[in-house]
Amino acid sequence: GENVEQHPSTLSVQEGDSAVIKCTYSDSASNYFPWYKQELGKRPQLIIDIRSNVGEKKDQRIAVTLNKTAKHFSLHITETQPEDSAVYFCAVDTGTASKLTFGTGTRLQVTL
Amino acid sequence: SQTIHQWPATLVQPVGSPLSLECTVEGTSNPNLYWYRQAAGRGLQLLFYSVGIGQISSEVPQNLSASRPQDRQFILSSKKLLLSDSGFYLCAWGTYEQYFGPGTRLTVT
Repeated sequence: GENVEQHPSTLSVQEGDSAVIKCTYSDSASNYFPWYKQELGKRPQLIIDIRSNVGEKKDQRIAVTLNKTAKHFSLHITETQPEDSAVYFCAVDTGTASKLTFGTGTRLQVTL
Repeated sequence: SQTIHQWPATLVQPVGSPLSLECTVEGTSNPNLYWYRQAAGRGLQLLFYSVGIGQISSEVPQNLSASRPQDRQFILSSKKLLLSDSGFYLCAWGTYEQYFGPGTRLTVT
């Protein structure tokens, strides 16, 4: 089955700095790559996604880049703010019933 | 717009007791439905998914079961809870994009 590795597991940045989280996957047939943000005690929320026919997608301060050849994709958050502090999960579709395989999560802390 | 509901929000149950968690979706038809479990401080484990009424696929062998008696209703059950069943149970719907419900926090004592 699909294997998704996510790094780093924790990330601490100062407010205003950029943060980058990277995920690698194993199945070259995967074609959908979402990112979720989960605040403490809350549900995961979809914040951005990308499909395999696109190399980069941006939404205000967040962007996702995809390298299908290398089988990795990354989340970029610019001008970080304290409210960006959360756990971020990457995911990859498995091609069956739109099931997603999730990464292990990255705890991002934005300090003042 | 689509809305997903889960209840109860929190639950404390003794070991060996039964379990029933319910999830309903509004504003869409024939959605794919999913049950996940998240242990404290951990990632998301897919338990079951369904692509239609009465169709259930299990991802992890365990003492849990799922049913989909109606198009937009998904139920997670257990006949006898184990301590290891404690966790945050999340229902999700979607095709490609998945959207999560508010979750049920289950503590088995």
